[in-house]
Amino acid sequence: KQEVTQIPAALSVPEGENLVLNCSFTDSAIYNLQWFRQDPGKGLTSLLLIQSSQREQTSGRLNASLDKSSGRSTLYIAASQPGDSATYLCAVGGRNYQLIWGAGTKLIIKP
Amino acid sequence: DAGITQSPRHKVTETGTPVTLRCHQTENHRYMYWYRQDPGHGLRLIHYSYGVKDTDKGEVSDGYSVSRSKTEDFLLTLESATSSQTSVYFCAISSQAGAINEQFFGPGTRLTVL
Repeated sequence: KQEVTQIPAALSVPEGENLVLNCSFTDSAIYNLQWFRQDPGKGLTSLLLIQSSQREQTSGRLNASLDKSSGRSTLYIAASQPGDSATYLCAVGGRNYQLIWGAGTKLIIKP
Repeated sequence: DAGITQSPRHKVTETGTPVTLRCHQTENHRYMYWYRQDPGHGLRLIHYSYGVKDTDKGEVSDGYSVSRSKTEDFLLTLESATSSQTSVYFCAISSQAGAINEQFFGPGTRLTVL
């Protein structure tokens, strides 16, 4: 059974720093991996989608990497801003076309 | 933003009462999903639909039923609500099966069962 883990559960960094969020999964047979952002009291916004054949995807200050063999993905945020404060979730798409979710990392960017 | 609305946005009910949550989309997407989100668990799939009147169970379907009589509406029903069903419920849609394509999420419904 696929399990997705995100460590740490919470992270607080000063504004301007580059940071990395981690996502690990136990079954390497995946279709893709997605990173989402969730703001308090709101829904989820898709940030990046990496297909299983890809190594990374970039969007603005965000870069997501995927290493299926080691069961890991990272989300790199460059030059962090207070507006980046949110909970970041990763979700893995597997054989049964369903998404398996991590519990998220709550990120706080201090001005 | 994808056109997805959920109603109600907040609900407080008592144990043993029936509850129905509604998800409405204007994107004409084939696939619709109901998730629940609890602290420490991420999102867990309750039920999903792959077309009108076509539904299937997800990871945590016990105590829930769904119906989809129109492309745009997906209803989640708790026949007899229990305190363990206190949660935030999210609806999502996608044009292809969830693991292949992006999913777009509604704003969520916060349900409290007393």
